[in-house]
Amino acid sequence: AQTVTQSQPEMSVQEAETVTLSCTYDTSESNYYLFWYKQPPSRQMILVIRQEAYKQQNATENRFSVNFQKAAKSFSLKISDSQLGDTAMYFCAFMNSNSGYALNFGKGTSLLVTP
Amino acid sequence: GAGVSQSPSNKVTEKGKDVELRCDPISGHTALYWYRQSLGQGLEFLIYFQGNSAPDKSGLPSDRFSAERTGGSVSTLTIQRTQQEDSAVYLCASSFPPQRSSTDTQYFGPGTRLTVL
Repeated sequence: AQTVTQSQPEMSVQEAETVTLSCTYDTSESNYYLFWYKQPPSRQMILVIRQEAYKQQNATENRFSVNFQKAAKSFSLKISDSQLGDTAMYFCAFMNSNSGYALNFGKGTSLLVTP
Repeated sequence: GAGVSQSPSNKVTEKGKDVELRCDPISGHTALYWYRQSLGQGLEFLIYFQGNSAPDKSGLPSDRFSAERTGGSVSTLTIQRTQQEDSAVYLCASSFPPQRSSTDTQYFGPGTRLTVL
């Protein structure tokens, strides 16, 4: 079974600053996918970024980027130029490529962006 | 286009009653997923549909839980004889069919918050 650990239950950052959310995972698989989802108070889970394990290049989506360290089984999310709208729960998720469907989520990090 | 929709948004029921939760996926998405989000357990995978078939029901917590999908579209999750521990947010997601060598993004609905009194 795969486990996903987010060690920071809560974080706070000032507007326009940069923040990094941590995620580690445990798997014996070599092929898998990693995701960061954002859940604002509206409850809707929104995909922020995804990374295929076979790709060495770190994924980037505008202000969001990841630091994927496969050997260390680490997948952190960096948010640059934080905005008030970034306030949300952030979930790291793992998907085994053999199944290709079930997302295995961490417990989440609550991020608060302050003015 | 329209996203994943779920109804009702909130449901309050009494212990022992049956409830039905509905999910309407994105048009063209043949894969559909149910997850449960609770304070104690976090986000858990419940069941996966490909078309009208459910290849993986392993996440359903007990035989009081069942789900079906008709016409390759709408899905209902039924909980019989509800218990207080069933209180949670039930999230539905859909995607294009996952492949062995790749996967597509799962798009989530807003969820149904179930409260069992």
